[in-house]
Amino acid sequence: EVQLVESGGGLVPPGGSLRLSCAASGFAFSSYDMHWVRQTTGEGLEWVSGIGTVDGPFYPGSVKGRFTISRDNAKNSLYLQIYSLTAGDTAIYYCARGVGGHWHFDLWGRGTPVTVSS
Amino acid sequence: YVLTQPPSVSVATGKTATITCGGYDIGRKSVHWYQRKPGQAPVLVIYNDGDRPSGVPGRFSGSNSGNPATLTISRVEAGDEGDYYCQVWDSGSNPVIFGGGTKLTVL
Repeated sequence: EVQLVESGGGLVPPGGSLRLSCAASGFAFSSYDMHWVRQTTGEGLEWVSGIGTVDGPFYPGSVKGRFTISRDNAKNSLYLQIYSLTAGDTAIYYCARGVGGHWHFDLWGRGTPVTVSS
Repeated sequence: YVLTQPPSVSVATGKTATITCGGYDIGRKSVHWYQRKPGQAPVLVIYNDGDRPSGVPGRFSGSNSGNPATLTISRVEAGDEGDYYCQVWDSGSNPVIFGGGTKLTVL
């Protein structure tokens, strides 16, 4: 089955760090750009990082320096390391497969929730 | 770059729902649309303005001939309830832009 499964979310104190994982199956993972998108409480979707098959990583200015995306093609896995967490990072984090010369996302996981609170 | 969507749209079962997505010169961009239901993975329903991924019902269609771009759902069903987001690629420092989302309620 073609799918993405995120893990690693949870409750983290402000200032802490967290590593999210995304396990891909059913498709040639190494042939696709991969991304992380988050859904904050009461807000819409926000793209937070991407990594290409041969280029990247890419980040929006809002998270640059605190988020690190990486991939392990041998393990069909995508990762997101988040540092210096704040309440504003509380969200559901989705892993998504990017397609097209100008990215859109044709496959998503169900997401993993991250809550930043003391 | 900012994409503007109405917060909510309500439509009766069997009728047509239209969700708009406004942005500067949006007709020059490719617009993509996603459906998100609580607890489920988001689903791409329209890409490149009006193309439909395999498995998406033909009741879903998209248009981008000006401002705004639109997602149209014909013969709306209860199962179409959820949040719908438009998305474009932009050449600025943040290349992936999502609209604020529209909650579709089926009456």
